[in-house]
Amino acid sequence: ETGVTQSPTHLIKTRGQQVTLRCSSQSGHNTVSWYQQALGQGPQFIFQYYREEENGRGNFPPRFSGLQFPNYSSELNVNALELDDSALYLCASSFSGGAGYGYTFGSGTRLTVV
Amino acid sequence: EDQVTQSPEALRLQEGESSSLNCSYTVSGLRGLFWYRQDPGKGPEFLFTLYSAGEEKEKERLKATLTKKESFLHITAPKPEDSATYLCAVQAPNSGGYQKVTFGIGTKLQVIP
Repeated sequence: ETGVTQSPTHLIKTRGQQVTLRCSSQSGHNTVSWYQQALGQGPQFIFQYYREEENGRGNFPPRFSGLQFPNYSSELNVNALELDDSALYLCASSFSGGAGYGYTFGSGTRLTVV
Repeated sequence: EDQVTQSPEALRLQEGESSSLNCSYTVSGLRGLFWYRQDPGKGPEFLFTLYSAGEEKEKERLKATLTKKESFLHITAPKPEDSATYLCAVQAPNSGGYQKVTFGIGTKLQVIP
């Protein structure tokens, strides 16, 4: 059991640029959720992927997009970065969206937009 | 819209001084309530799931309870290593057909030796 791995751990981008964040799910998990956590706030739901399809989305604009691959790894893409996108981005994996057993979170990617 | 409110926002305790953290929620069709621990710069770590009013779960110095409107995380005789932010989250079905999880802002606990 390897847990959830996210890369990179830190990233600095310029406003208007695009960024891709990556996540490797825990072995045996087929669902991945992405969250944005601003400093001092709770995690905010971005979207969830199950079997390579988006099956749920929070209040985030279309410039936030994602992918899930056959091996259940995942990407979060953000286009046209804004200063307010600066946050900790968390990936969480689970089995069949069953958060009742608790999501397994990665350590996150700290994105700074300047 | 599902809402989770945690109080207090910050709590400072002396080592051994027991206390409780509160999580009140408004949700349609609760499927589960979760407690997570988050250390600075890290992802949340799962602690408990509670499914129905009256349910209790324990782990070391932590005990979580659930009513129809709120949950409490009781910390008995805390140690400095219990210092962290404790997050509460609720799971409920969404119109999109998936189980949405909504987090509170968290309670930042500091335990002083």
